[in-house]
Amino acid sequence: RKEVEQDPGPFNVPEGATVAFNCTYSNSASQSFFWYRQDCRKEPKLLMSVYSSGNEDGRFTAQLNRASQYISLLIRDSKLSDSATYLCVCAGGTSYGKLTFGQGTILTVHP
Amino acid sequence: DVKVTQSSRYLVKRTGEKVFLECVQDMDHENMFWYRQDPGLGLRLIYFSYDVKMKEKGDIPEGYSVSREKKERFSLILESASTNQTSMYLCASSRPRQGISNQPQHFGDGTRLSIL
Repeated sequence: RKEVEQDPGPFNVPEGATVAFNCTYSNSASQSFFWYRQDCRKEPKLLMSVYSSGNEDGRFTAQLNRASQYISLLIRDSKLSDSATYLCVCAGGTSYGKLTFGQGTILTVHP
Repeated sequence: DVKVTQSSRYLVKRTGEKVFLECVQDMDHENMFWYRQDPGLGLRLIYFSYDVKMKEKGDIPEGYSVSREKKERFSLILESASTNQTSMYLCASSRPRQGISNQPQHFGDGTRLSIL
């Protein structure tokens, strides 16, 4: 079983739609969680950190459910520019800043 | 703004060559990482370093070595390049953990390495 599992998609949604991605993690000792965005042939970029109480940044909302060991990302009012691969990331209980990346969920927003 | 700079965007080398990939960060981060990314396999950690002259193996260290002589610079070395090392290589850096929270990593632009 992979440490971080995501539905690879692709998700194809029209502009203005709301789309949600889920991600499960296997290491119950994980303490830090992030969502990254990666455009085609570019490097991953931090989209948002995921706090235990959930957090919101504009059209993006992240939630953490420790009991079920999953993280979600909700995108409201999708834009064409949201088309990218979204990576779910967990940090286990180890030190030195190691992160474990999911394989990513592909999102395509069409007109 | 964090800046992580990788020495080359594209690189073509021959089988058996010794290849050096350089990475420099300007944010005084303690932690630095080397990944490779391949279609269908996602990001895989090769090596990381949490301090000058310190290094730790990641998940796929075979065929690679690293060097961290200065805090801002982390080099990845392919001792004898092979065709299965053709990949996108990504360098990242981060601050150390704060309490129980790991810090996010910031990535360079990546190096697309082709071994012929």
